[in-house]
Amino acid sequence: DAKTTQPPSMDCAEGRAANLPCNHSTISGNEYVYWYRQIHSQGPQYIIHGLKNNETNEMASLIITEDRKSSTLILPHATLRDTAVYYCIVRVRSSNTGKLIFGQGTTLQVKP
Amino acid sequence: DADVTQTPRNRITKTGKRIMLECSQTKGHDRMYWYRQDPGLGLRLIYYSFDVKDINKGEISDGYSVSRQAQAKFSLSLESAIPNQTALYFCATSDLGGQDTQYFGPGTRLTVL
Repeated sequence: DAKTTQPPSMDCAEGRAANLPCNHSTISGNEYVYWYRQIHSQGPQYIIHGLKNNETNEMASLIITEDRKSSTLILPHATLRDTAVYYCIVRVRSSNTGKLIFGQGTTLQVKP
Repeated sequence: DADVTQTPRNRITKTGKRIMLECSQTKGHDRMYWYRQDPGLGLRLIYYSFDVKDINKGEISDGYSVSRQAQAKFSLSLESAIPNQTALYFCATSDLGGQDTQYFGPGTRLTVL
């Protein structure tokens, strides 16, 4: 699975959009970009994933660059409850092990 | 996610004791996983199971065993607990036929004294 690089921390004002970047320059053609988050000691929560097209769901939007070497998770209107560690993970869907490799992630602090 | 439950949520035990952590899911998923989380180390895969008759070791299986009693149940056992097994343990499930997105339980905080 390709390695990802994320900034260790970010701040965002409540009600504003939070844009979380992720670099994955060694991504392979069959690898997807997944985003999860973990709110203090709770189980990780799936947010969104994509292959090459931009994706949007009720939680967030995922923007993947045309060369697929980086992506951005967008929380359109951040709330205090969005304060969490956000993980960008690159992996083959339905891989042989199913293992998710969680790096250090980005700690997002949403401030009032 | 309420569809994946773990028991107990917290457990304090002593070195050498046998401990079982249980995971149940109502999502109807085939795949189940056990991870542990230590501060600063992220989540690491202990064991995984792709169906009732399939059990596979993850990256840190030593000192652990598992049982897949049914599609919905996947238990993790520590045969003789040791202090460095103090950690947060998460169960997860995924559906091979779907997007293979993993859904996690609320976690079990285990302390081995």
